[in-house]
Amino acid sequence: EVQLLESGGGLVQPGGSLRLSCAASGFTFSSYAMSWVRQAPGKGLEWVSGIIGSGGNTYHADSVKGRFTVSRDNSKNTLYLQMNSLRAEDTAVYYCARHSSAYYFYSYLDVWGQGTTVTVSS
Amino acid sequence: DIQMTQSPSSLSASVGDRVTITCRASQGVSNYLAWYQQKPGKVPKLLIYAASTLQSGVPSRFSGSGSGTDFTLTISSLQPEDVATYYCQKSNSAPLTFGGGTKVEIK
Repeated sequence: EVQLLESGGGLVQPGGSLRLSCAASGFTFSSYAMSWVRQAPGKGLEWVSGIIGSGGNTYHADSVKGRFTVSRDNSKNTLYLQMNSLRAEDTAVYYCARHSSAYYFYSYLDVWGQGTTVTVSS
Repeated sequence: DIQMTQSPSSLSASVGDRVTITCRASQGVSNYLAWYQQKPGKVPKLLIYAASTLQSGVPSRFSGSGSGTDFTLTISSLQPEDVATYYCQKSNSAPLTFGGGTKVEIK
């Protein structure tokens, strides 16, 4: 069964850091691009960051550029999101999602994890 | 950046009604557009990709159309289990912007 399991969320103070992980199983992880998508309480979906299958190319939304870094370890079938200089507006459920192919663009988010909650508050 | 605008932001319709949701891109995205369904308290689910291709397992009452800047998601006969928020998303370039969502309720 194809599965994505996020972890690492929690309560952090403004300016703090957190690293999210997404453990993948049931498919050849390195063959798929991956993305992080977040959803603030009561709000819509916001694409955050993404990475191609090999890890060579990464992409970030302007709202997190310079603060968040996406990476992956294909030997561990795990996707990461390092979040630094966190702000109150980063409070959200963070989902990892698999793209439908190795290509980052022209593909779609066909498998989603259950999400992990990040709360930035003093 | 290309903006994705959905309309309406919410709608209420009766069981059996035909429902249409619109997504407009501020610049052309060819057919690189997906629709997602998010039921209350649940994870988003891919419904339609490449503007009009139904994802495996999705009921045939859902359909998508459009190309360039204007897209529609249609539910041919609304069912109680279709209560959800629907999002469009472009995938031709970064950022992979989502539309603001359309909340569908039963009247």
